[in-house]
Amino acid sequence: EVQLVQSGAEVKKPGESLKISCKGSGYTFTSYWIGWVRQMPGKGLEWMGIIYAGDSDTRYSPSFQGQVTISVDKSINTAYLQWSSLKASDTAMYYCAKLKTGTHINYGMDVWGQGTTVIVSS
Amino acid sequence: DIQMTQSPSSLSASVGDRVTITCRTSQTIDNYLNWYQQKPGKAPKLLISAASSLQRGVPSRFRGSGSGTDFTLTIGSLQPEDFATYYCQQSYSTPQTFGQGTKVEIK
Repeated sequence: EVQLVQSGAEVKKPGESLKISCKGSGYTFTSYWIGWVRQMPGKGLEWMGIIYAGDSDTRYSPSFQGQVTISVDKSINTAYLQWSSLKASDTAMYYCAKLKTGTHINYGMDVWGQGTTVIVSS
Repeated sequence: DIQMTQSPSSLSASVGDRVTITCRTSQTIDNYLNWYQQKPGKAPKLLISAASSLQRGVPSRFRGSGSGTDFTLTIGSLQPEDFATYYCQQSYSTPQTFGQGTKVEIK
């Protein structure tokens, strides 16, 4: 079974750093792109960026460029989303998702993680 | 960035109704349009990719159509398990923006 399993909920203070993870299994991890999507409380989905697990080619949304870092450790089939200095406005649910096709990024995200809740509060 | 305009933002419908949700993009995206369903507290689920290609296991009452800038998701006969929020997403270019969502509620 193809699945993505995300790390657990986090409660952090403003200014702290954080790295959340997304572990893939049941497929050739290095042959697919992984994306990250933010959902703020009660709001819609926001596309943050994608990374190709094979070579770490990364595309960011301009809205998130410089605010987060997307990375991958292909030796352990895991993608990451990290912040160096959290803000209260980073409070949200974060989903990782596998893009449907290996070489093309044009066909949507077909397998999703369960989501990681991040709460940033003083 | 490509802007997405999804409508309506919410609708009330009864079981058995035919429901139509539209998505318009600010520039042509060929057929690189996807539809997702999200239920409360759950991750989104891909229903349709490439405007009209139904994902495996998705009931045939879901139908996607359109190309260029105008797209439609139709639910042929609404079932109790279809009450959810639906999002369109363009995957023509990055950032692969989502629509604002349409919440389908029980009348």
